[in-house]
Amino acid sequence: DTEVTQTPKHLVMGMTNKKSLKCEQHMGHRAMYWYKQKAKKPPELMFVYSYEKLSINESVPSRFSPECPNSSLLNLHLHALQPEDSALYLCASSQVARGDYTGELFFGEGSRLTVL
Amino acid sequence: QKEVEQDPGPLSVPEGAIVSLNCTYSNSAFQYFMWYRQYSRKGPELLMYTYSSGNKEDGRFTAQVDKSSKYISLFIRDSQPSDSATYLCAMGGSARQLTFGSGTQLTVLP
Repeated sequence: DTEVTQTPKHLVMGMTNKKSLKCEQHMGHRAMYWYKQKAKKPPELMFVYSYEKLSINESVPSRFSPECPNSSLLNLHLHALQPEDSALYLCASSQVARGDYTGELFFGEGSRLTVL
Repeated sequence: QKEVEQDPGPLSVPEGAIVSLNCTYSNSAFQYFMWYRQYSRKGPELLMYTYSSGNKEDGRFTAQVDKSSKYISLFIRDSQPSDSATYLCAMGGSARQLTFGSGTQLTVLP
């Protein structure tokens, strides 16, 4: 069983809705990530948090707003999305050791988002 | 040219076969190399992790990194139907920003 838990597993929203995706890990990892994955494509990095601070934003549109309330939780707030934003949104976490990330990403099962 | 190239397959093999999956890359700064397995509609699962170069074995799985050729491989021995999945290579110079291959879809036929 994955130790990274994502909710909801499925989400359908209209373009005017506001919703949030949630991620939780209890492995003591201090780096957390959001990835977006379209069908039959590899995951694409969106955001990286390190010690609860945003360290990487891969030029993601502002309609996606990440938040890291504490070392175990990561949220992705969604507002005014477009149908092309429909995808599997994956949360991941990894350790940080000696100031560097270990690279061993542990993924959740994802939240499948459909934007109508 | 993509930074990471991976044959998308699909690849079908009979049960018990040895499977060889490969990725090539162009960035000589890459030093973190990983293989992930992803079942349909699930998140990727880390299979093998290598820092820098060399071989690593874990049960039926062997990962090889050849930095001189910029080539990494994953071998699966005695393949099982439960190995049917998409296999993604991932690598990077910084562990924060990994580049994933496009994935190889594998089917192991009973």
